[in-house]
Amino acid sequence: NAGVTQTPKFQVLKTGQSMTLQCAQDMNHNSMYWYRQDPGMGLRLIYYSASEGTTDKGEVPNGYNVSRLNKREFSLRLESAAPSQTSVYFCASWFRGSTEAFFGQGTRLTVV
Amino acid sequence: QKEVEQNSGPLSVPEGAIASLNCTYSDRGSQSFFWYRQYSGKSPELIMSIYSNGDKEDGRFTAQLNKASQYVSLLIRDSQPSDSATYLCAVNDFNKFYFGSGTKLNVKP
Repeated sequence: NAGVTQTPKFQVLKTGQSMTLQCAQDMNHNSMYWYRQDPGMGLRLIYYSASEGTTDKGEVPNGYNVSRLNKREFSLRLESAAPSQTSVYFCASWFRGSTEAFFGQGTRLTVV
Repeated sequence: QKEVEQNSGPLSVPEGAIASLNCTYSDRGSQSFFWYRQYSGKSPELIMSIYSNGDKEDGRFTAQLNKASQYVSLLIRDSQPSDSATYLCAVNDFNKFYFGSGTKLNVKP
């Protein structure tokens, strides 16, 4: 039982490049989330998905797109990376009635 | 915009002392509250969840909730150096989790 798996763990991009961060969970959770964490800023919600085929903007969605491919997978895409998107990205999953949201190990992204 | 406020610290306490971490939230309708611990370079991990006014104890940890004051706290008794981490307060509103910026705790041997 792997929980929440994110790939890649580290990535360096040049300004303007695109990439997709992958997230998969094997806990049969309905809800999935993408957060970014910057120094001193805590976790900020980028996008949220309540179920397969549905997505909703969070606090900081600009510059990102998401896709809930199926119940297991929730991907985050940067179409044209900017230095301001340098951050640690966390994926999480949860099901209603659970006391805990489970987090992936994070992706450290640097945009130069 | 949901707001969850925490003192960024660092909060320094000697080993064996009680550490007190505080959090306030803006949405009076919030119902679910969580404390996560995050070691440097690691993912957040859940310590406590609390849903009702009052205290909830789990080992050395006690969460306190006061919905009238929109205030959540976490007490860590007999603090250990291994408790040194950043503690994140989180609120669940309509299935979305909103986090504070975290309080860094240092427990000195």
